[in-house]
Formats: sequence, C-alpha cells, structure tokens
Amino acid sequence: GIQVEQSPPDLILQEGANSTLRCNFSDSVNNLQWFHQNPWGQLINLFYIPSGTKQNGRLSATTVATERYSLLYISSSQTTDSGVYFCAVGAGGTSYGKLTFGQGTILTVHP
Amino acid sequence: GAGVSQSPSNKVTEKGKDVELRCDPISGHTALYWYRQRLGQGLEFLIYFQGNSAPDKSGLPSDRFSAERTGESVSTLTIQRTQQEDSAVYLCASSSKTAHYGYTFGSGTRLTVV
Repeated sequence: GIQVEQSPPDLILQEGANSTLRCNFSDSVNNLQWFHQNPWGQLINLFYIPSGTKQNGRLSATTVATERYSLLYISSSQTTDSGVYFCAVGAGGTSYGKLTFGQGTILTVHP
Repeated sequence: GAGVSQSPSNKVTEKGKDVELRCDPISGHTALYWYRQRLGQGLEFLIYFQGNSAPDKSGLPSDRFSAERTGESVSTLTIQRTQQEDSAVYLCASSSKTAHYGYTFGSGTRLTVV
C-alpha cells in the first residue's frame, strides 16, 4: 500500500516563530488532508488539498502531486498550535475516502 | 447533530469480554470510517462504509472485529473476546462527497482491556 512519511517527527518552537512541516508519499494520490490533533486528542481537519495551495489564517498548505509531497506552513505560531499534525492520503478508486495516515509531527510551542 | 458523536467516551473491560462502540455521523454524510489509534501512534484504518456499497473491511485486524452500519446513519464496531492489545482509542469519522470527503472526526472511545 501507499506509504506516508512526515518530517520532522518533533518540532519545538518559541511563540511567534514560523515552521514548515513536510509530508512525502509513495504513490499518486487524489485525496490529501492535513489534520491537527490537540492535546486532548480531538482531530480537526485543516485542509483538503490533493493539489495546489490553500490558506486559512496563519496556516497554509501546498501539495505538489507530481513530486509526491505536501507542505504545511504555520506562521506566527501560538501555544494553541501545539499538538500533533497528521498528513493523510488516499489513492482513489472504490475507496476514494479511505486515508492512510503518516506518523505525525509533534509540535510544541512555548510561550 | 452538528458533529460526529461517539459513545461511550471511555470503556474499561475485562479480557475476554465483548464490547460494542457506537458512532453517530453527521446527518447526510454518506461515508463513515473507523480508525484505531494506539498510544503515541498514528491512525490505523479499520473499516469504511460508503452509502449502500459493500464496506471496505480490509483494515480489520482479526475476525474478532466487526462493524455494521444502518443505512447512512449509526454504526457500531464490535470487538469480541477482547485482548489487551485491543486497548486503544477508537475514532470514527464521517464525510460527504460534496465536501470532497473532508473528514470530521468524533472525540473517540478510549478502550482499556484489563
């Protein structure tokens, strides 16, 4: 099956810093989503982005499908950004919505 | 409801007992998914329901695991003869074609087998 690799595995920032999280995947995809899991375990969908660039406030994401990677940018980080960021991909067909998750990037933002 | 609802939020059971976990998806969401997350790990796919199509059961780890869905509403995940390795958070998500299958997750059921 498709492999998803996220980097870095851990990231520690001071409040106000910017960061870039990377997701590499091993095959063509037509579904790619980024999620944030907060310290209480709740998973929130950040972006549906199988290709192109999207922005939502301080967060933006870019997927270059032909090169099989996606980037999540966090600008002016806040302590509430702490948690685990997951990239998840789907290869389509009859299981279009079924996603394979990476192992996540653990982000800690210090005040 | 407005979100995906899972119950119970916590379940402690004795090894060998059966457990049933429930998921109420967002109304109108045709797709429903179950995932498992062990402590400190990523999410592991279990099963996927899409409308009236046959479910994709390819992620179920053993025949002790089964799931059902009534139409496009409630789903139950059943684990028979629970083992300690079944301890995990079981997460349900739903999505719709019109939302490009962007997932909305429930808060999960934390299962502890003692």
